[in-house]
Amino acid sequence: KAGVTQTPRYLIKTRGQQVTLSCSPISGHRSVSWYQQTPGQGLQFLFEYFSETQRNKGNFPGRFSGRQFSNSRSEMNVSTLELGDSALYLCASSLVGAYNEQFFGPGTRLTVL
Amino acid sequence: AQSVSQHNHHVILSEAASLELGCNYSYGGTVNLFWYVQYPGQHLQLLLKYFSGDPLVKGIKGFEAEFIKSKFSFNLRKPSVQWSDTAEYFCAVNAPISGGGADGLTFGKGTHLIIQP
Repeated sequence: KAGVTQTPRYLIKTRGQQVTLSCSPISGHRSVSWYQQTPGQGLQFLFEYFSETQRNKGNFPGRFSGRQFSNSRSEMNVSTLELGDSALYLCASSLVGAYNEQFFGPGTRLTVL
Repeated sequence: AQSVSQHNHHVILSEAASLELGCNYSYGGTVNLFWYVQYPGQHLQLLLKYFSGDPLVKGIKGFEAEFIKSKFSFNLRKPSVQWSDTAEYFCAVNAPISGGGADGLTFGKGTHLIIQP
C-alpha cells in the first residue's frame, strides 16, 4: 500500500507571496491532518479535514487555510508569506475513529526569502 | 489545552546500553499516547501507541513504553540500543472527540538520541 505523498518536496518563495501544498493520503484514509515543524517550535498541529470539512484547528493565523477534496486529497494554502513561515510542513492521514493512528508523509520544505 | 514535556533533549549512549526517554503530558481527560521516531533523512514513523488496556505496550524494533496514569507519564524504553536507533524521538498525545476521531496530536519537543558504536 502506498504511503502518504506530498508535493512539492521543496519550495522557495518570497515574502508576501502565497503557496499551495498538496497531500495524497493512504488509500482508504479519510482524515488528513497538517503539521508545521520548525527547530524552535517543534511540531505543531495546523488543522484536520474529514469528509471535506475542517474538523479541528490549531492555533495558527487565518493566513493558513486548507481544503479537502472528495477523494480525500488535501491542500493547504499559506497567504502573504512571512519569513517565519519557513518550515517543514507535514501531512498525516488516518482512518476514521477515536483510535486513529496517523501516518506521516515526507513533508514539504518551504523556505521563505 | 494539552501539553507534552520530554525531559531530555539530547541523549548519547553506547551500543548495548539501556534506554529510557521520559515523557509527561498535561491533560485531565482520556488521552491517546504515541511515540514517533524520525530517522535521519526519513519521515516520522510510529513506534508504538497506547489507547487503553494493558499500560505496558510493545512497539516495533524492541521498544516498549509504560503508561502511568497517576504520574501522567509515558516513558519509552529499550533494554539494549543499537547504532541504528540513532534518531529523533517524539512523544505525542491527543484526545478523543465526540462523534469519532480525535483532536490533533500535541508533540513534545523531541529527544535527539545518538548511539555510539
